[in-house]
Amino acid sequence: NAGVTQTPKFQVLKTGQSMTLQCAQDMNHEYMSWYRQDPGMGLRLIHYSVGAGITDQGEVPNGYNVSRSTTEDFPLRLLSAAPSQTSVYFCASSPRPKSLEQFFGPGTRLTVL
Amino acid sequence: DQQVKQNSPSLSVQEGRISILNCDYTNSMFDYFLWYKKYPAEGPTFLISISSIKDKNEDGRFTVFLNKSAKHLSLHIVPSQPGDSAVYFCAASTSGTYKYIFGTGTRLKVLA
Repeated sequence: NAGVTQTPKFQVLKTGQSMTLQCAQDMNHEYMSWYRQDPGMGLRLIHYSVGAGITDQGEVPNGYNVSRSTTEDFPLRLLSAAPSQTSVYFCASSPRPKSLEQFFGPGTRLTVL
Repeated sequence: DQQVKQNSPSLSVQEGRISILNCDYTNSMFDYFLWYKKYPAEGPTFLISISSIKDKNEDGRFTVFLNKSAKHLSLHIVPSQPGDSAVYFCAASTSGTYKYIFGTGTRLKVLA
């Protein structure tokens, strides 16, 4: 199993550009989520999904969209990038929504100029 | 408003000694608590968890203690090893919300 994979590893955008961060898992996990990690802020939940077709907002959802058309994939879309979205983004999954343990991907480091 | 707080940004411990990492929370509705370890350029990995119905959970060298009245939990690592050097995050969740709130992390350095 590859576990949770994220692409790209690094990305530089200009303000106003759009892009999609990809996340995939091959463990047939129901629950998937996106976090951002900023210095001094820990990990903050952006969006999450408890199954295909079901998504909901986390702590910091503004400026981001998600969809969950399959169990495996959970892409995160930035519609119009802003410098405040410069961060490291982590995708995670767990077998069930109430499962305690989440498996994290390696992260995507995004810089918005 | 930071609901989960790790007030010590860093901690240094001698190899073989005990490492104690602390975490405080403000939301009394939290009923699951977790610790994750993170190495540079990697995603966090799950370490240990505890439910609010318990006050202690042990897994090998790692023990988590929960004091509900003080809204405080701690992670004890005994004995500490150089490979334990990482950033440790505590996280909390409330049943049925499917949301996890993370602390800001504590960087542990175990000195050989």
